[in-house]
Amino acid sequence: GIQVEQSPPDLILQEGANSTLRCNFSDSVNNLQWFHQNPWGQLINLFYIPSGTKQNGRLSATTVATERYSLLYISSSQTTDSGVYFCAVRNFGNEKLTFGTGTRLTIIP
Amino acid sequence: DADVTQTPRNRITKTGKRIMLECSQTKGHDRMYWYRQDPGLGLRLIYYSFDVKDINKGEISDGYSVSRQAQAKFSLSLESAIPNQTALYFCATSDFGGGADTQYFGPGTRLTVL
Repeated sequence: GIQVEQSPPDLILQEGANSTLRCNFSDSVNNLQWFHQNPWGQLINLFYIPSGTKQNGRLSATTVATERYSLLYISSSQTTDSGVYFCAVRNFGNEKLTFGTGTRLTIIP
Repeated sequence: DADVTQTPRNRITKTGKRIMLECSQTKGHDRMYWYRQDPGLGLRLIYYSFDVKDINKGEISDGYSVSRQAQAKFSLSLESAIPNQTALYFCATSDFGGGADTQYFGPGTRLTVL
């Protein structure tokens, strides 16, 4: 099946810093989503982005489908950004999403 | 009210017991999913359903069964719980309209099997 690798596995930053999270995948995809799992366990969908660039406030994401990677940018980090960020992909001919193992982001006040 | 709800939110049970986790949604989505999350791992798909008459196994369906009682309800059963089924369980829904198939998750059920 398709492989999804996220990096870095852990990231600790000071409040106000910017960060870039990466998701590499091993096959062509027709669906790519970024999720944030907050410290209470709730999973929130951030972006549906199989290709191109999207922005939502301080967050933006870019997927370069031809090179099989996606980036999630977080600018001016706040403590509420802490949690685990997951990338999930679906490749052609498959009906299910495959999740990466996540990047744990900790924002220090 | 939350769009995707799960009951119970926490459950402690003993090995060999039958457990049912329930999921309800008010989003009107046809597609529903059950995932489990283990520490340090991503989410793994247990079962999914694209409509009331459609049930499909995911990557880790052994030891689990599901029932899609209505468009809005999808329940997960552990017929005889074992300790390695201790995990955080999530229900999700999605709407394939427009091809996006964006997934929306419930709050999760933390299950401990002693």
